[in-house]
Amino acid sequence: QKEVEQDPGPLSVPEGAIVSLNCTYSNSAFQYFMWYRQYSRKGPELLMYTYSSGNKEDGRFTAQVDKSSKYISLFIRDSQPSDSATYLCAMKGSQGGSEKLVFGKGTKLTVNP
Amino acid sequence: GAGVSQTPSNKVTEKGKYVELRCDPISGHTALYWYRQSLGQGPEFLIYFQGTGAADDSGLPNDRFFAVRPEGSVSTLKIQRTERGDSAVYLCASSLNRESRLAFFGQGTRLTVV
Repeated sequence: QKEVEQDPGPLSVPEGAIVSLNCTYSNSAFQYFMWYRQYSRKGPELLMYTYSSGNKEDGRFTAQVDKSSKYISLFIRDSQPSDSATYLCAMKGSQGGSEKLVFGKGTKLTVNP
Repeated sequence: GAGVSQTPSNKVTEKGKYVELRCDPISGHTALYWYRQSLGQGPEFLIYFQGTGAADDSGLPNDRFFAVRPEGSVSTLKIQRTERGDSAVYLCASSLNRESRLAFFGQGTRLTVV
């Protein structure tokens, strides 16, 4: 079993839809959770960052972390064609532990106009 | 610079050749990371530098891979005797320091071994 599991999709939605992306993980040491957006042939771009459990909202994006279930989510409201990209979840342990980010496979999202 | 810069953006090399990939981190960032991303996969960790020293090289797949950061800024990833399986996008990221959890990625170097 991989440390981080993410359904690769692809996911196709109409413009304006609410998109739900999620990852599960097995390592209880993970404390920092990120979502990156990656456009084709580009590097990952940091979208959201959450420490421990809870919700975080930034514009149309909401990140949720449920450490008890080892489950994280990213919601995109009022999705736009420009949101079409691959979304990668990533996580890291606590300070003093490993500094490496562990990524999911990424979910490819297409928002159709 | 404004962001993490990686050169070259694309590199095609013959099997068995030696390659060097360069990463210029964001100015002032002391932490630097190398990741490798194969098609359809998420990035996989290779090595982490804090300053000039490699603090964690546990992700390097074998001894053909080596990375340096002699002055604590620019880093070079070196691959000897390249194999077709080394073909991937090599990503570099930097963060302000060890305590910062925010890593910013470059555009990557697409390496193709033919």
